[in-house]
Amino acid sequence: DGGITQSPKYLFRKEGQNVTLSCEQNLNHDAMYWYRQDPGQGLRLIYYSQIVNDFQKGDIAEGYSVSREKKESFPLTVTSAQKNPTAFYLCASSIRQGVQETQYFGPGTRLLVL
Amino acid sequence: GNSVTQMEGPVTLSEEAFLTINCTYTATGYPSLFWYVQYPGEGLQLLLKATKADDKGSNKGFEATYRKETTSFHLEKGSVQVSDSAVYFCALTSLFYNQGGKLIFGQGTELSVKP
Repeated sequence: DGGITQSPKYLFRKEGQNVTLSCEQNLNHDAMYWYRQDPGQGLRLIYYSQIVNDFQKGDIAEGYSVSREKKESFPLTVTSAQKNPTAFYLCASSIRQGVQETQYFGPGTRLLVL
Repeated sequence: GNSVTQMEGPVTLSEEAFLTINCTYTATGYPSLFWYVQYPGEGLQLLLKATKADDKGSNKGFEATYRKETTSFHLEKGSVQVSDSAVYFCALTSLFYNQGGKLIFGQGTELSVKP
């Protein structure tokens, strides 16, 4: 089955530690995205990539880093510089059909700080 | 800039009641409009979408019509079920927006359906 997978489902981070969240898609989508969701709020864009080996900052990129070495993979690293990392992280990928684009989401990773 | 405003929740309804969740937007260019649903502890699922004015998106008994004259995309369902309890997000994307296909989300509306 095609889809977007995120792992792990839950992740714990200690103070001063970097952690990496995995996102993989087998939908052959070109673009991939990372969003952060805080309780009772909408989603905010962290980073996005429209093509392999290229990515752009979103609205809240500080304290995060990404890479896009393969079309199907877009890992997100939460660095120690991110002072409030506790949140639900959602990965998405999109397909463009003509001038229209639709994003599909993975199941999410919940990051908690110990 | 582009923005989406949804009615505040939580919305509590009895089973088989009629549902409306209001969504209005501000956008330049020609946005596509979406409704996503999020069940507890899960990611977002695309519920329906509309890509141009007067289009009606529909899925699983939910409908929404793209109204350019009122800049609205209200979500409706004629008879809700307990299983519809979730958070609903209205969103837009515009390929004329300078960040490509970035989705702009409303704050979400929590729906609770009681038996």
